[in-house]
Amino acid sequence: NAGVTQTPKFRVLKTGQSMTLLCAQDMNHEYMYWYRQDPGMGLRLIHYSVGEGTTAKGEVPDGYNVSRLKKQNFLLGLESAAPSQTSVYFCASTGGTGTLYEQYFGPGTRLTVT
Amino acid sequence: QKEVEQDPGPLSVPEGAIVSLNCTYSNSAFQYFMWYRQYSRKGPELLMYTYSSGNKEDGRFTAQVDKSSKYISLFIRDSQPSDSATYLCAMSAPGRDDKIIFGKGTRLHILP
Repeated sequence: NAGVTQTPKFRVLKTGQSMTLLCAQDMNHEYMYWYRQDPGMGLRLIHYSVGEGTTAKGEVPDGYNVSRLKKQNFLLGLESAAPSQTSVYFCASTGGTGTLYEQYFGPGTRLTVT
Repeated sequence: QKEVEQDPGPLSVPEGAIVSLNCTYSNSAFQYFMWYRQYSRKGPELLMYTYSSGNKEDGRFTAQVDKSSKYISLFIRDSQPSDSATYLCAMSAPGRDDKIIFGKGTRLHILP
């Protein structure tokens, strides 16, 4: 039982390049979330999903897209990376409304955009 | 006004001291109040949660919720160097929203 895993762990991009971050969970959780964490800004929600095939915008969705084609996977895409997207990205999952209080986080992806 | 306010610190206290961490909030719909702990270069993990008002104790940790004042606290007794981490308060209103709102986190250093 690996919990929540994120791929890759580190990445350096040049401005304008694209990439996809993969989040996978093996807990059969319904809800999945993508956050970014920046110094002094805390955790900010980018996009989230309340079930396979669903996605919704969070607090800072601009410049990102997501897909939830399979229940266990949640992908975060950057189509044209900008230096402002330099951050640590965390994926999280939870069972649903009844267990919303307990989000399980992945180890994070450190992204630098130059 | 931000939905959840938390002093970022850093807070430095000597080993063995009692630590008090606090958050205020503005949304009266919040029902679940959580504390997450995040070690350096790791993801946050749930430390404890409280439903509605009252206190909850787990070992050296006590969480308090005062809904009338919209104020929550986490107390750490007999603090240890291993408690050094960032503590994030978080809140949710299940049934109304599918998200958790996090505070910005307080960095805590326990000095040996």
